[in-house]
Amino acid sequence: GQNIDQPTEMTATEGAIVQINCTYQTSGFNGLFWYQQHAGEAPTFLSYNVLDGLEEKGRFSSFLSRSKGYSYLLLKELQMKDSASYLCAVRESVNAGNNRKLIWGLGTSLAVNP
Amino acid sequence: GAGVSQSPRYKVAKRGQDVALRCDPISGHVSLFWYQQALGQGPEFLTYFQNEAQLDKSGLPSDRFFAERPEGSVSTLKIQRTQQEDSAVYLCASSLLDRPQETQYFGPGTRLLVL
Repeated sequence: GQNIDQPTEMTATEGAIVQINCTYQTSGFNGLFWYQQHAGEAPTFLSYNVLDGLEEKGRFSSFLSRSKGYSYLLLKELQMKDSASYLCAVRESVNAGNNRKLIWGLGTSLAVNP
Repeated sequence: GAGVSQSPRYKVAKRGQDVALRCDPISGHVSLFWYQQALGQGPEFLTYFQNEAQLDKSGLPSDRFFAERPEGSVSTLKIQRTQQEDSAVYLCASSLLDRPQETQYFGPGTRLLVL
């Protein structure tokens, strides 16, 4: 079956570094996305990984290991505005093609404290 | 430019009432997705369009849910005979091309409350 696991909640201090993990078990794999969602708002795109390794984009980096079914999102120099939910989503590859749906985790609620 | 817009932003319906939720994707975007998000949960896929063609509706929870995109632009999600368990945020997203790596851009969502 399909399963995406991420911690429910995390707390960190302003200026620090935090790593949010995501593990997945899906019938196939065709890319992993990280989205940020502030309370009451729509998810916004952060990163996309399809090959193993680290993708860096400013203060945010995302890592993928396909053999381990594992990804993490790394946030550096935390700011108060980074307090939000972080959602991991996997796109399965399906033989039928034309499958573009994402399988989403429940999200990790990050609280950044002063 | 304009992002994805959805209307209404909030909808209160009595149980048994029909509702229609509208999504205006980013102009020129080929793919359009509908998701249902319950409080404290991640989005759950409902259905997907490539232009006007509905290619995947496997996530629609029952035959009370119906979606259309007749001209390949604006989409409407209709829920008939609403039930309390339909209460959720309904998110619409669009992407420019129909490729796996395409970023999905989300609208603000419609918050539906069924009493």
